[in-house]
Formats: sequence, C-alpha cells, structure tokens
Amino acid sequence: NIVMTQSPKSMSISVGDRVTMNCKASQNVGNNIAWYQQKPGQSPKLLIYYASNRYTGVPDRFTGGGYGTDFTLTINSVQAEDAAFYYCQRIYNSPWTFGGGTKLELK
Amino acid sequence: EVQLVESGGGLVQPGRSMKLSCAASGFTFSNYGMAWVRQAPTKGLEWVATISYDGSSTYYRDSVKGRFTISRDNAKSTLYLQMNSLRSEDTATYYCTRDSGDVYYGLLLQDYWGQGVMVTVSS
Repeated sequence: NIVMTQSPKSMSISVGDRVTMNCKASQNVGNNIAWYQQKPGQSPKLLIYYASNRYTGVPDRFTGGGYGTDFTLTINSVQAEDAAFYYCQRIYNSPWTFGGGTKLELK
Repeated sequence: EVQLVESGGGLVQPGRSMKLSCAASGFTFSNYGMAWVRQAPTKGLEWVATISYDGSSTYYRDSVKGRFTISRDNAKSTLYLQMNSLRSEDTATYYCTRDSGDVYYGLLLQDYWGQGVMVTVSS
C-alpha cells in the first residue's frame, strides 16, 4: 500500500507569515491528492483537490502544489483562524490513505 | 444545505457489535458514493470504508475487512456501518462523508463531513 508521510509534524508560525507543509507519497500518485483542514473540535474540511485545485469557498491564500510523490500546501499571510491540523490524502484507488497530519500553531 | 448526522455510537464491550447510522439531507443521496472515516483520540484520520452510489461496490481497509459492513438505504437517505467483533483499537470518532468523486473510477473526494460519533470499545 502507498504510504503518505507529512512533514513537519508541527509548526509554530506568526500571523502574516507564509508557511509551507509537505506530503510525500511512497509511490507516484500523479496529482491525485487532497488536503483537508481540521480545526480543534471540528470535522475536517476539504481545502484542495487534485493537488492544486482550491475547493469552493477556500480563501486564495491556500495554495497546493506538486506532482508524483512530493506535494506542498502553502498558506500565504497566515491568519489566526488557520490554526489547525492539515491532512493530505491519496484520492485515487483503495486504500485512500491519509498522511499523519501537520499541526499548525500560531505564536 | 448538505447535512450528515451520525448516530448510534457509545460504549461497547470488546467482541460485541454496534451499528452506526448517518442520516443525509440537502442533496440527492442516491447520486453519491459515501464513506466512513475514523479518528482515534488525539490521532490522525483513517479511512475505513466506502460504498458506491448504488451500493453495488464496497471497499474496506484491511484491519476491518470481515468485521465491518458498510451499507445504504437510498429510500431513507441513510448510510450504515455495522461493526462486529469490536476491538479496543476501533475506539474512535467515526465520521460519515459524502464522496463527490466516483469510486467506480477509483476516485474518492470527501467534500462533506458529519460532526462525528464516538465509539468506545472497553470492558
């Protein structure tokens, strides 16, 4: 099975900073990944699909990139409400595996 | 407005069974594949099972194959997860999700999530 590995596990950022987190697939998955945001006490929400497509209503400060095995989620000018866990997921073929998540904290 | 409301969770002893339900509204349920995702306390997300829009195809993670059964009743707009032979490692919040992809083509895109229901497996 394909393993999705996210890094770093956590990061502490100041409001207004730019942050990039990573997701690495153990095999080529093309552009078939999604990113989800999960705020404390809430259900996850879809942010990005097919690696770089922003889902409806997602602010344009969120940008996804990458292809093959290496993917990134970048947040430009981080806002306080962006404090959350972020998960990548392989979205093509079972098992639809999630990465372990990256926790974004605000200083 | 799309709504997914899970129910049926609680405390159950190891080896026993439990059935979760997910009542869907705000969209044509029979047009969408559906899935269950779980999250153990303080842990990450784990895909559990997926069912096609018509119920003819189902998929499971290896650790629940043979123990869990995903099903749906399109007339009632309800998704189910029958969980048998429960283990302590099944303790988690279980989320019902809508799939806006197409599992027949292998694509799972979970665009709506319920609020989750807690299942605790303990003696």
